[in-house]
Amino acid sequence: GEDVEQSLFLSVREGDSSVINCTYTDSSSTYLYWYKQEPGAGLQLLTYIFSNMDMKQDQRLTVLLNKKDKHLSLRIADTQTGDSAIYFCAESNSGNSGYSTLTFGKGTMLLVSP
Amino acid sequence: DADVTQTPRNRITKTGKRIMLECSQTKGHDRMYWYRQDPGLGLQLIYYSFDVKDINKGEISDGYSVSRQAQAKFSLSLESAIPNQTALYFCATSQGAQNTQYFGPGTRLTVL
Repeated sequence: GEDVEQSLFLSVREGDSSVINCTYTDSSSTYLYWYKQEPGAGLQLLTYIFSNMDMKQDQRLTVLLNKKDKHLSLRIADTQTGDSAIYFCAESNSGNSGYSTLTFGKGTMLLVSP
Repeated sequence: DADVTQTPRNRITKTGKRIMLECSQTKGHDRMYWYRQDPGLGLQLIYYSFDVKDINKGEISDGYSVSRQAQAKFSLSLESAIPNQTALYFCATSQGAQNTQYFGPGTRLTVL
């Protein structure tokens, strides 16, 4: 079945760049997503990338996709203490109905120290 | 106003009780989902619905049931709650080919 793997924890200093990595198994995934969860809150979409793209940049966020290796990364430039949260990678899975569901990784806790 | 709301936000109940968690959305999306989050396990899909007449089991549907009362409402029931159903429950909605899911704030359920 589909599986999404992430490292569980990353610690960086404020101002440094953070890179969160993810591997997935479904080569037919059309979209791949990054979500952010702050303490006590639901998941908030950060960004997504279409499977025919290699890179997407959105302000401080850069997403890199290596389809051959099924590897996705999220780079946060100039990381701030407010970026401390859990980050989830997710892949879309096509179903028989033509609609897709998402499979989420277990999440990477990012801790940013001053 | 929030686009996806969940009630209650917190609930403590006892083993064997029937519990209903409710989700409402104002986004006009056809597709709705229920997830469970446990520490270190990420999100697991319980049930999902692609339109009002469509209900599908997810990866962990045992012990749960759902009802799609309208396009905007999707409720999750625990017929007889047990302690290992203690978790954070999220509702989500989506629409379109890109299928980005939008999440509610979650319901923290504790079963004693």
